[in-house]
Amino acid sequence: QLQLRESGPGLVKPSETLSLTCTVSGDSISSRNYYWGWIRQPPGKGLEWIASISYSGRTSHDPSLKSRVTISVDTSRNQFSLKLSSVTAADTAVYYCAKTLIGRGNFPLDYWGQGTLVTVSS
Amino acid sequence: DIQMTQSPSTLSALVGDRVTITCRASESVASWLAWYQQKPGKAPKLLIRKASSLESGVPSRFSGSGSGTEFTLTISSLQSDDFATYYCQQYSSFSTFGQGTKVEIK
Repeated sequence: QLQLRESGPGLVKPSETLSLTCTVSGDSISSRNYYWGWIRQPPGKGLEWIASISYSGRTSHDPSLKSRVTISVDTSRNQFSLKLSSVTAADTAVYYCAKTLIGRGNFPLDYWGQGTLVTVSS
Repeated sequence: DIQMTQSPSTLSALVGDRVTITCRASESVASWLAWYQQKPGKAPKLLIRKASSLESGVPSRFSGSGSGTEFTLTISSLQSDDFATYYCQQYSSFSTFGQGTKVEIK
């Protein structure tokens, strides 16, 4: 059974860079034409798609966040990562990693991690 | 970017009720529309892809319809396990979610 787990600091200072890693188990991140994505949810609010990446490094980004987002993949560790620069309080959210259906980087997500809360505060 | 608007924002219903949630897109997304269910403290669960294709394991009381700019999610007979928040997601151009519809007990 495919499982995803987010890891990273739960507290980040304003103007710094948020860094999260998603570890995939139960299947190889290189298998088939999936993308691996990041989605966030501010407390009490809705979902926001951030970006996704294929095992070969092909990426897709939400335009509004693209300038601050770096997404990368490490197939040897079966992991993919998110960096979000110049964070503000508006970036406080539960961050989820997830796997897309076969196809494109913006396709629906059928396996999700449990989510990790990242708070931006000094 | 494409905006997704769900209605209503909150819906109060009884077990056994037929429930319909609407999702409207600011421009056509063809059938590139998915629906998710989210319970408090949990990750979303994919229910429907491509507007009307039910995911494996999702009960048949859930159904989706629509194309272009207007879509509906219907629960034919609401069960206690269905009280949750539902989101639509367009994936025609990048990806955007609706603001969510909370289905609560009446």
